[in-house]
Parts: sequence; C-alpha cells; structure tokens
Amino acid sequence: GDSVTQMEGPVTLSEEAFLTINCTYTATGYPSLFWYVQYPGEGLQLLLKATKADDKGSNKGFEATYRKETTSFHLEKGSVQVSDSAVYFCALSRDTSGTYKYIFGTGTRLKVLA
Amino acid sequence: NAGVTQTPKFQVLKTGQSMTLQCAQDMNHNSMYWYRQDPGMGLRLIYYSASEGTTDKGEVPNGYNVSRLNKREFSLRLESAAPSQTSVYFCASCPYYTDTQYFGPGTRLTVL
Repeated sequence: GDSVTQMEGPVTLSEEAFLTINCTYTATGYPSLFWYVQYPGEGLQLLLKATKADDKGSNKGFEATYRKETTSFHLEKGSVQVSDSAVYFCALSRDTSGTYKYIFGTGTRLKVLA
Repeated sequence: NAGVTQTPKFQVLKTGQSMTLQCAQDMNHNSMYWYRQDPGMGLRLIYYSASEGTTDKGEVPNGYNVSRLNKREFSLRLESAAPSQTSVYFCASCPYYTDTQYFGPGTRLTVL
C-alpha cells in the first residue's frame, strides 16, 4: 500500500542555516504530494504542494520538488528563522472516487535557535 | 469566514464515558475527515465523509462512530472511551474533486 517516510527529528538549527527535511514515498500511479506545517498548539496548515513529476512547490521561502525517479519530495529552505520552529508533515493524496484521502508521514520537528 | 472549527479544545474523560467531538466548516466543502494524531505516528484517518449522507471507515475506525449531520457538520463519537483513545483529534474538510484539505485547530482528549 501507499506510504510516506520522513526523516526522524528533532532537527535543531541555528537561525539562517540551510534546512533539508527528507521525504520519500511509495505509491502506485501519480499522487499529489504535500508539505503541511503545524505550529505549537495549532492545526495543520498547507505549506506547499506539487501535483506531477518535476513540479516545484514553493511558499514562504520553502521549496520542494516532486522527483518521480527517486520517489522523493524533500523540503528545503535556504535560511531558516526562529519563527519556522514547528512540526512538518509530508503527505500524499489518493483519489477514492473523487474524494481524496491522505497518507501522512510521522512528522519532523524543527527547532531553530536564535 | 471561520474555516474549520472544533469543539471542545480540551477534554478529560474517565474510562467508559462517552462523548461527541464536534466539527463544522463554513467553506461549503463536500468532503470531511476525522484524524487522530499520536506521537511518532503522524496523523491517521479515522472516518471520512465524501458528501452529506455518506460516511466511510478510514485506517483506524474501531471504537468510534461518526455522523454527517448536514453539509457543514461532521461529529465523532466515542461510545465507551478507553485510555488508548487519548490523542489529539483533527477535523478537516476538502472541496469536491480537489485534493487540498483544510484542518481545524484540534481537540486534545485524555482518557484516564
């Protein structure tokens, strides 16, 4: 079945450091891929998405490229800020007769130090 | 436009008690979902509703029931709470034939 694997955290970085959070997936067909972010005490917010191979999703300085050949969707940011401290979830969506169900990774906690 | 709202925000139950978690969305979305979030396990789908009047099991439905009261509201009921149901519960909604889900703020449930 479909699955999503994320690198384990926590990831601790200094402000302005480069961020990579790895995400790989297993799926048949061509699912859409997502990164969601969860700030402390809040629900999940969509950070970015990509719907087909070689698409690059981007938002708030974060980027991720849909790599079909390596079944990966790694999240990157060139210079992190303290305000980026949160839990990041990678997910894929699966179409079930017009209704989309998500498979989530386990989440990666990021802590950015000033 | 409040998006997806959930009540209550926090709840403590004793083993065997029942309760209903409420979820409502004001975005006219067709599909709604209930997830639970546990440490180290990400979010897992409990139940979902593709449209008003329909519900289907997700990955971890045992011990739960749901009701899609109307297009706006989707409730999750625990008939006899168990400590294994201690978790954070999230509701989400999605427009029909699109794949971006919108999440509520969550309900933190503790079962003693």
